[in-house]
Amino acid sequence: SQQGEEDPQALSIQEGENATMNCSYKTSINNLQWYRQNSGRGLVHLILIRSNEREKHSGRLRVTLDTSKKSSSLLITASRAADTASYFCATDGENNNDMRFGAGTRLTVKP
Amino acid sequence: EADIYQTPRYLVIGTGKKITLECSQTMGHDKMYWYQQDPGMELHLIHYSYGVNSTEKGDLSSESTVSRIRTEHFPLTLESARPSHTSQYLCASSELVEQYFGPGTRLTVT
Repeated sequence: SQQGEEDPQALSIQEGENATMNCSYKTSINNLQWYRQNSGRGLVHLILIRSNEREKHSGRLRVTLDTSKKSSSLLITASRAADTASYFCATDGENNNDMRFGAGTRLTVKP
Repeated sequence: EADIYQTPRYLVIGTGKKITLECSQTMGHDKMYWYQQDPGMELHLIHYSYGVNSTEKGDLSSESTVSRIRTEHFPLTLESARPSHTSQYLCASSELVEQYFGPGTRLTVT
């Protein structure tokens, strides 16, 4: 069953603006990850945040995790046209050996 | 770039044919996964493996089978392809938590 659900489903912004995507999940987790997928390609890992962490940064990416609300957000600052892609959150499953992905947020950054 | 490969990248095949999608990784990862993804949709886990001779079914009911005879190789087989199998198939591997994905195989069954 699907664990993570991203919001919004689609987001269109201008280059230079910030993009915020949200992820909600249903059960307790150990880790939450964000992945990026360019059209028709495989996914690329962006960042992992553990359940005992609240915020993490990697370059222009900022991820927050609120375990009390079972939600996470991904912020991309100063977006570029090359950031155009689908972004997925993934949470570890019941036996910690597999993950569940949401349906993704399709981000379009207009030059 | 991760060292995980999938072949073929694109495949168009007729109904009833048997096909095998190949996935290989050179990272020595014990865990490997197969996902099915329709365009613009979520990924569905269909099979996974924790190591050689270990295979498990995922969430999505699939008519495919997998094998894991060697650590680096995790092929997926459809005994009799149907139009409902038309989709993108993504293979991934992991050592701990982070998964490394191959480029995918886009399968069309006519």
